Amino acid sequence: NAGVTQTPKFRVLKTGQSMTLLCAQDMNHEYMYWYRQDPGMGLRLIHYSVGEGTTAKGEVPDGYNVSRLKKQNFLLGLESAAPSQTSVYFCASSYLTSGERETQYFGPGTRLLVL
Amino acid sequence: RKEVEQDPGPFNVPEGATVAFNCTYSNSASQSFFWYRQDCRKEPKLLMSVYSSGNEDGRFTAQLNRASQYISLLIRDSKLSDSATYLCVDHLSGGSYIPTFGRGTSLIVHP
Repeated sequence: NAGVTQTPKFRVLKTGQSMTLLCAQDMNHEYMYWYRQDPGMGLRLIHYSVGEGTTAKGEVPDGYNVSRLKKQNFLLGLESAAPSQTSVYFCASSYLTSGERETQYFGPGTRLLVL
Repeated sequence: RKEVEQDPGPFNVPEGATVAFNCTYSNSASQSFFWYRQDCRKEPKLLMSVYSSGNEDGRFTAQLNRASQYISLLIRDSKLSDSATYLCVDHLSGGSYIPTFGRGTSLIVHP
């Protein structure tokens, strides 16, 4: 059981380049999330998905797009990278929330540097 | 304004000390809270849930104070390995079950 995995672990981009971050989970979780973490800012939600084929905006969605074509995968895309997107990106997943407490399981993170 | 507020610290304590962190939340309807632990350059991991009646797990105790809208984490007999950032999470944000994280409180336990 690998849990939540993220690819790549580290990437350097030039301004204007595009890339896709992949998140995969093998726990059959319904909910998946993408966060970014910057010094002094904590974790901020970018986009999330409550099930296969659905996505929704979080707190800081601008400049990012997501897709959830398969239940186990959640992709985060940067169409035209900007230096302000330099950050650590965490993916997380959890069971379907129905008023009960459900914990999130996080991937190891992707460190992105945009020059 | 962040809906979940934490003192960033750092809290610098000697081994064996007792230390407590608070976390305030703004959504009076919130009922579901967690404490996560995050080590440097690692992903957050669940430490414990916060129940209305309180929750104790070994040296760690979590409490919820609805009247004042804060949750607390108490660590007794601190170990060097407790050094980390502690994140509180409100699991009910704006009426939807989308977690809101505090910015974290840094704890440093020294010999």
